[in-house]
Amino acid sequence: GQNIDQPTEMTATEGAIVQINCTYQTSGFNGLFWYQQHAGEAPTFLSYNVLDGLEEKGRFSSFLSRSKGYSYLLLKELQMKDSASYLCAVFEGGKLIFGQGTELSVKP
Amino acid sequence: NAGVTQTPKFRVLKTGQSMTLLCAQDMNHEYMYWYRQDPGMGLRLIHYSVGEGTTAKGEVPDGYNVSRLKKQNFLLGLESAAPSQTSVYFCASSYSWEGSSIYGSYNEQFFGPGTRLTVL
Repeated sequence: GQNIDQPTEMTATEGAIVQINCTYQTSGFNGLFWYQQHAGEAPTFLSYNVLDGLEEKGRFSSFLSRSKGYSYLLLKELQMKDSASYLCAVFEGGKLIFGQGTELSVKP
Repeated sequence: NAGVTQTPKFRVLKTGQSMTLLCAQDMNHEYMYWYRQDPGMGLRLIHYSVGEGTTAKGEVPDGYNVSRLKKQNFLLGLESAAPSQTSVYFCASSYSWEGSSIYGSYNEQFFGPGTRLTVL
């Protein structure tokens, strides 16, 4: 079966670093996406990993280990506007399979 | 470019009523998708289309029908609405079937703003 797990919620302090983990067990794998979704809005693309290793984009980095079925999203220098839900999604057969999302609250 | 648009933004239905949600994209994308998002469940794929005139079932297709008569439009229909279909519906589109292209660009899915549907 398809299973993607991420923590339901996390809290962090402005200016700090936070790591959001995602583990997956899927029948196929063509890459892993991270999306950000602010309350009441549409998801927006953050990152994509298909090979093992770290992808860095400004304050956001994403890591993938295919052998472990594991990914994480790293957010540095947290800002209040980073308070949002972060969605991990496995890309398989042209379709995205989403985890339930991690609600991140950034506090002053 | 407007990107992906959805109409309506909000709708309240009574059980048994029917309605159609419209999704339109102006990015010339081949692939279009309909998702529903419920608390604690994440986004779940209802139906998708790999091109004009084609549709396929996703994870939760029961109670929904779709049509892709034009490349830029993807319609989601509820023939007889039920309270279990109360949800937020998102449409998405992408350029390609692959996660990334050979040129290194990402073929991410672009999402519309969502339709909040309540079935009483």
